[in-house]
Amino acid sequence: DAGITQSPRYKITETGRQVTLMCHQTWSHSYMFWYRQDLGHGLRLIYYSAAADITDKGEVPDGYVVSRSKTENFPLTLESATRSQTSVYFCASSEPGDSNQPQHFGDGTRLSIL
Amino acid sequence: AQTVTQSQPEMSVQEAETVTLSCTYDTSENNYYLFWYKQPPSRQMILVIRQEAYKQQNATENRFSVNFQKAAKSFSLKISDSQLGDTAMYFCAFMRVWGGKLIFGQGTELSVKP
Repeated sequence: DAGITQSPRYKITETGRQVTLMCHQTWSHSYMFWYRQDLGHGLRLIYYSAAADITDKGEVPDGYVVSRSKTENFPLTLESATRSQTSVYFCASSEPGDSNQPQHFGDGTRLSIL
Repeated sequence: AQTVTQSQPEMSVQEAETVTLSCTYDTSENNYYLFWYKQPPSRQMILVIRQEAYKQQNATENRFSVNFQKAAKSFSLKISDSQLGDTAMYFCAFMRVWGGKLIFGQGTELSVKP
């Protein structure tokens, strides 16, 4: 089935550990995005990618690393997790100019850092 | 930089009544898109309604309609005949025409009471 898949759905880890959140889309959309959702802040953009091998920072990129070697995958890595990175993370994809469905969202990953 | 503000963190409404959620935004762009997303407890991000800034006519989707005031930079969502299934977090979002990135407000948690 076409769609956007995030894994894992839930993750608990400890401060200082590296953790990678996976995102896979089957539409071959050019754009992919990572957001974090925190109470009182809505969704904030961490990183985005306009195409394979092209990535750019969003509003809150510190402490995160992304890569996009293939169009369909856009993993997000927390190199040394901190408690402030406890959040719900959403991946999304889109095609430029498609305002009818501006972004397709994954179901989110709830990440808890102890 | 664009900003989106939702000043009502929580709202409640009786079933079958009408409720209006507020959203204001700031931009120097003349053409752009505005959206309302619904996020039920399942965490899915569901597009409710969209508005193109160049259109004066307010968008409508069944029980959902918007009041778009471009000069005032206001974009409110009206839900008529509220249903229990409308209980969710609602996010207002802004997108530049070719930008792809969504800028979200802080969210309004709506409870529909029987």
